[in-house]
Amino acid sequence: DTGVSQDPRHKITKRGQNVTFRCDPISEHNRLYWYRQTLGQGPEFLTYFQNEAQLEKSRLLSDRFSAERPKGSFSTLEIQRTEQGDSAMYLCASSLPGHATAGYTFGSGTRLTVV
Amino acid sequence: AQRVTQPEKLLSVFKGAPVELKCNYSYSGSPELFWYVQYSRQRLQLLLRHISRESIKGFTADLNKGETSFHLKKPFAQEEDSAMYYCALTGNSGYALNFGKGTSLLVTP
Repeated sequence: DTGVSQDPRHKITKRGQNVTFRCDPISEHNRLYWYRQTLGQGPEFLTYFQNEAQLEKSRLLSDRFSAERPKGSFSTLEIQRTEQGDSAMYLCASSLPGHATAGYTFGSGTRLTVV
Repeated sequence: AQRVTQPEKLLSVFKGAPVELKCNYSYSGSPELFWYVQYSRQRLQLLLRHISRESIKGFTADLNKGETSFHLKKPFAQEEDSAMYYCALTGNSGYALNFGKGTSLLVTP
């Protein structure tokens, strides 16, 4: 297990296209999180899964965004009809069962550029 | 509402000098606070947690509830400490981290 993996590392897409990102967490981590980071800002919480259940969504997650974790393992984040404002680094993290106090393990992120 | 403020975007110190990265928070309950670090071309990683009261790589941070602060300190900075540092808070939810905007630390020889 090499940690949290994200694919792709970079994605350039035209405005209006749909994109999908994948995250593979550490296998024994049942909690998975998606964050978005724009230039000059810290990561912003998007959504959180415990196993396959999506338990919380930020209001940053508009209707164009959807996330899934179908079998409680990997997760996907889809953005429909991309806009230039969606350009950002999308980070995935996972944590041990229990509490976030244990600390997250982050992936390297997927950098999305919408042109 | 939860808020984390890191007032300095950039902090530059000489090697061997003390360093303090400031973090202030606002939260009505009992927060849990963290420092995360991102070295050049590496992923964001946990540096330390207030609940552990630990010292990692010579860094310490004390939660001051009266001043609502969680400043990160190191007595003698090293060049390898140059990185982006983020203070983060989690509240009652226990899962969502609220990050500050980060402070870029540059340690020069």
